[in-house]
Amino acid sequence: DVQLTQSPSSLSASVGDRVTITCRSSLSLTSYLNWFQQKPGKAPKLLIFDISSLQSGVPSRFSGSGSGTDFTLTISSLQPEDFATYYCQQSYSLLTFGGGTKVGIK
Amino acid sequence: QVRLQESGPGLVKPSETLSLTCSVSGDSMSTYYWSWIRQPPGKGLEWIAYIYYNDNGSANYNPSLKSRGTISVDTSKNQVSLKLRSVTAADSAVYYCARLWPQTLTPESWGQGTLVTVSS
Repeated sequence: DVQLTQSPSSLSASVGDRVTITCRSSLSLTSYLNWFQQKPGKAPKLLIFDISSLQSGVPSRFSGSGSGTDFTLTISSLQPEDFATYYCQQSYSLLTFGGGTKVGIK
Repeated sequence: QVRLQESGPGLVKPSETLSLTCSVSGDSMSTYYWSWIRQPPGKGLEWIAYIYYNDNGSANYNPSLKSRGTISVDTSKNQVSLKLRSVTAADSAVYYCARLWPQTLTPESWGQGTLVTVSS
């Protein structure tokens, strides 16, 4: 099984802050690493696919990067609507999700 | 735009079988994979299973289910189904249906989810 470990599990930030969330895989992934945003009571929403590709309609302040076993989601300037929980997910070997990172208001 | 709608009983007794249906509208089921993903209250996301649209023999399952699950697709009804046998309280969760891109198995569209509680 491919395990995904996200860090931190939670963070507090202010509007306008640059936020970085890390996802570490137990197996080297050539691609198929995705990022989702989930708000309370809602289904997850795809933000980034294949490590760094922005899903249609997603603001450009979101970006993804990384390779091998280490991947990053960056929000360049946090907006009020970005307070949510973020999950990484791999489809390289079956499907696995990271444990999530809750982004809260400082 | 595709729409996914999960349905099923909100309450299931321990040791019984949980049965869920996902109704697909707004787009063809063809060429896609279809999946079930769940989220226990206050916890993270867990993939359950996925299947190709025209091949009920193509299913893949999360090994942690220990062979309790069966996913199937009925393109004539535009539905994806999940059966989970011998449920316990640990199976209480919001169950989501999702459509996966065929090349990368990326869950790109999701239903709103349905809450299932396992309790006597």
